[in-house]
Amino acid sequence: AQSVTQLGSHVSVSEGALVLLRCNYSSSVPPYLFWYVQYPNQGLQLLLKYTSAATLVKGINGFEAEFKKSETSFHLTKPSAHMSDAAEYFCAVSDFLSGNTPLVFGKGTRLSVIA
Amino acid sequence: DAGVTQSPTHLIKTRGQQVTLRCSPKSGHDTVSWYQQALGQGPQFIFQYYEEEERQRGNFPDRFSGHQFPNYSSELNVNALLLGDSALYLCASSRGTGYTGELFFGEGSRLTVL
Repeated sequence: AQSVTQLGSHVSVSEGALVLLRCNYSSSVPPYLFWYVQYPNQGLQLLLKYTSAATLVKGINGFEAEFKKSETSFHLTKPSAHMSDAAEYFCAVSDFLSGNTPLVFGKGTRLSVIA
Repeated sequence: DAGVTQSPTHLIKTRGQQVTLRCSPKSGHDTVSWYQQALGQGPQFIFQYYEEEERQRGNFPDRFSGHQFPNYSSELNVNALLLGDSALYLCASSRGTGYTGELFFGEGSRLTVL
């Protein structure tokens, strides 16, 4: 069964500092991987996705993630945090081969940005 | 272009009651998936509807049922409510049943069971 583990339920960074949110996946087949963001009182919005093309994936709002098969990781980064980045971030995995298994989400990491 | 809309946004029920939540997908989308997000947790897949049929189902009891209408809108019904059903219920729409594309989520319906 597929699963994702997000290390750290809460991450706090200073404005302008590097953002690093960690995600490790478990999958018996090549996965599709996703990062979603949830702002307060809103639904989830796709930040970026990995679908077996380039291992470094660029998303919206300056975020990017790198797929590392050897480490089974898909960490999310942003060089310089902005106050507006404060939100809940979810990593999710799906089955690559069938492309038709529901997304399995991690428990989420809440990002706080300190002025 | 309207995105995914859900109603109601908030509701309070008591144990044993029944609830119906509604979802209109994004224009051009034909598939609706429902997720339950308990407090402090990630969303968990309930089921997916396509062509008015339930196509896939997560690990949820039969108290959870759904429906999809010809206009692609969908309902989630929960019978015999339990305290543990308190959660944010998210509807997501997509084009087709594959998960390689982007899911568009609504803002959710927050259900409180007392």
